[in-house]
Amino acid sequence: SQKIEQNSEALNVQEGKTATLTCNYTNYSPAYLQWYRQDPGRGPVFLLLIRENEKEKRKERLKVTFDTTLKQSLFHITASQPADSATYLCALASGSARQLTFGSGTQLTVLP
Amino acid sequence: GAVVSQHPSWVICKSGTSVKIECRSLDFQATTMFWYRQFPKQSLMLMATSNEGSKATYEQGVEKDKFLINHASLTLSTLTVTSAHPEDSSFYICSAGALWQGSEAFFGQGTRLTVV
Repeated sequence: SQKIEQNSEALNVQEGKTATLTCNYTNYSPAYLQWYRQDPGRGPVFLLLIRENEKEKRKERLKVTFDTTLKQSLFHITASQPADSATYLCALASGSARQLTFGSGTQLTVLP
Repeated sequence: GAVVSQHPSWVICKSGTSVKIECRSLDFQATTMFWYRQFPKQSLMLMATSNEGSKATYEQGVEKDKFLINHASLTLSTLTVTSAHPEDSSFYICSAGALWQGSEAFFGQGTRLTVV
């Protein structure tokens, strides 16, 4: 069955360091992968999208990589700040699907 | 970016009553909207796909008679939880977006439903 796994439920990072979150998937051939941020009691907010033919995408302090051979995406936040503390969700969609399938999320805490 | 508004943001209802949640796309037309449910510390689970002018498509295990979805216009979808029970207490979130075009999904703020 299809499965999306995010490396850990919780991750603590010191302020100023790079936070790296992992998303692995099995039995899936996604056309693209997305990363969202979710704050407590709020809906997810889109961060980045990367397509299956792209290796890397950047946006300000954010970087996403996508390795379809390893079936893995890495999400990096450089120079992390306490305001980056939130739950980060990866989501996959196949080319024909009109909906996203979400991973379980990683709760990131950036320690001052 | 596009805005999806969800109302109410929280609601408490008695067991056995029905609750309606609204999801509006404020600055774009959405022929398709999605309804998710999220339990504490768990991910979003897709409940159903709401299609404007036609019946919703429900995911396996979701009771269509309990979770009524109506998508009567291009900017409004509603989810009605009928005969609510305490186990229906959850965080309900709607979204819209042209995913088949590789676009992002826009989410509402979510509705915290507590059934007492």
